[in-house]
Amino acid sequence: DIVMTQSPATLSVSPGERATLSCRASQSVSSNLAWYQQKPGQAPRLLIYGASTRATGIPPRFSGSGSGTEFTLTISSLQSEDFALYYCQQYNSWPPYSFGQGTKLEIK
Amino acid sequence: QVYLVESGGGLVQPGGSLRLSCAASGISFSDYYMTWIRQTPEKGLEWIAYISATGNTVDYADSVKGRFTISRDNAKKSLYLQMNNLRGEDTAVYYCARGGEYHIYWGQGTLVTVSS
Repeated sequence: DIVMTQSPATLSVSPGERATLSCRASQSVSSNLAWYQQKPGQAPRLLIYGASTRATGIPPRFSGSGSGTEFTLTISSLQSEDFALYYCQQYNSWPPYSFGQGTKLEIK
Repeated sequence: QVYLVESGGGLVQPGGSLRLSCAASGISFSDYYMTWIRQTPEKGLEWIAYISATGNTVDYADSVKGRFTISRDNAKKSLYLQMNNLRGEDTAVYYCARGGEYHIYWGQGTLVTVSS
């Protein structure tokens, strides 16, 4: 199974600043990588698929990059509604399509 | 507007069974793979099963293989998860999601608690 490792576990950033979240795969997943945002009591929300394609309705301040084993989600100017949990998921090698353990983005 | 609504969760004893349902609206249900994903505070998000659009192809995570069965009824726009021989580690919020790879649409989740 492919293991997805996210870092850091918690990231403290001030509103208006840039946040950079990392996701590493234990083996290559090509560009078959998605990012999700989750807020308390809600289901995950798809942000990015194909490593860098924003899902419909996702603001341009969210961007994804990377391929192979190293991926990054960047939020260019944090808004109050962006403080949440973020997960990466690979869908290159099945089963299973594994998720990372998450990064909590909190207000500094 | 797309809606996926799970039901059937609840409290069950170890070794017991539950059947989860997911009712879809606002989508061409029969065109899409569907997936069950569960979440716990300890293990996070775990992909557990998916089924092809026609139902001919299914696959499972090793943690549930042989105990859980995914199925669908395209005429009813419904997805199911039959869970047998439940264990404490199956306690989780269970989500249905559209798609077999990444997931644009998710249900709100249904809580399954396995405890005596």
